Amino acid sequence: DAGVIQSPRHEVTEMGQEVTLRCKPISGHNSLFWYRQTMMRGLELLIYFNNNVPIDDSGMPEDRFSAKMPNASFSTLKIQPSEPRDSAVYFCASSLEGGASTDTQYFGPGTRLTVL
Amino acid sequence: AQSVTQLDSHVSVSEGTPVLLRCNYSSSYSPSLFWYVQHPNKGLQLLLKYTSAATLVKGINGFEAEFKKSETSFHLTKPSAHMSDAAEYFCVVSEPGRRALTFGSGTRLQVQP
Repeated sequence: DAGVIQSPRHEVTEMGQEVTLRCKPISGHNSLFWYRQTMMRGLELLIYFNNNVPIDDSGMPEDRFSAKMPNASFSTLKIQPSEPRDSAVYFCASSLEGGASTDTQYFGPGTRLTVL
Repeated sequence: AQSVTQLDSHVSVSEGTPVLLRCNYSSSYSPSLFWYVQHPNKGLQLLLKYTSAATLVKGINGFEAEFKKSETSFHLTKPSAHMSDAAEYFCVVSEPGRRALTFGSGTRLQVQP
């Protein structure tokens, strides 16, 4: 299996621009997670989906962030408008079962976002 | 609420010597515990996980961890460090009914030749 695929791997944009991050989970996995990693806050869960439905988006920082999962093989995380404080590494992860606490989450390589 | 504390932000060992990365957790329930490793500019890879079966868990690359409920600890060990073990290690907790993982702040392991 190819694992979790994220694109782009690096993104540099200017403040105010729209940014779209993409994720393809492992085929057959039912749950998908978006995380953000920064030096100050470490790894934080932003949102997760189960069977393409958003279950918990309490970690989404503010209305500038939105995430969608139109089908089982694709998800996007959009930031509009972007701000310098959004600079971070964004990880997508997927898990096989219904997202139970014992499930292993498999992480993608991440997208390093820099907002100038 | 669940939380996890990694007691050392940096650990430095010599190649061939034992590795000990410490982790304490807090959970209202019987948690699942994980160790993930992140190599520079890479994603996170699962090393091992504890899910209420055997308290001594063996993982990949010679790592193992022991769940000690009385001490609320889940320390990661390896008998002999290799240069390729240099990376950041995250202790992670998850509670029943919660899909979200709570990550520790990470421990950066340096391996000296």
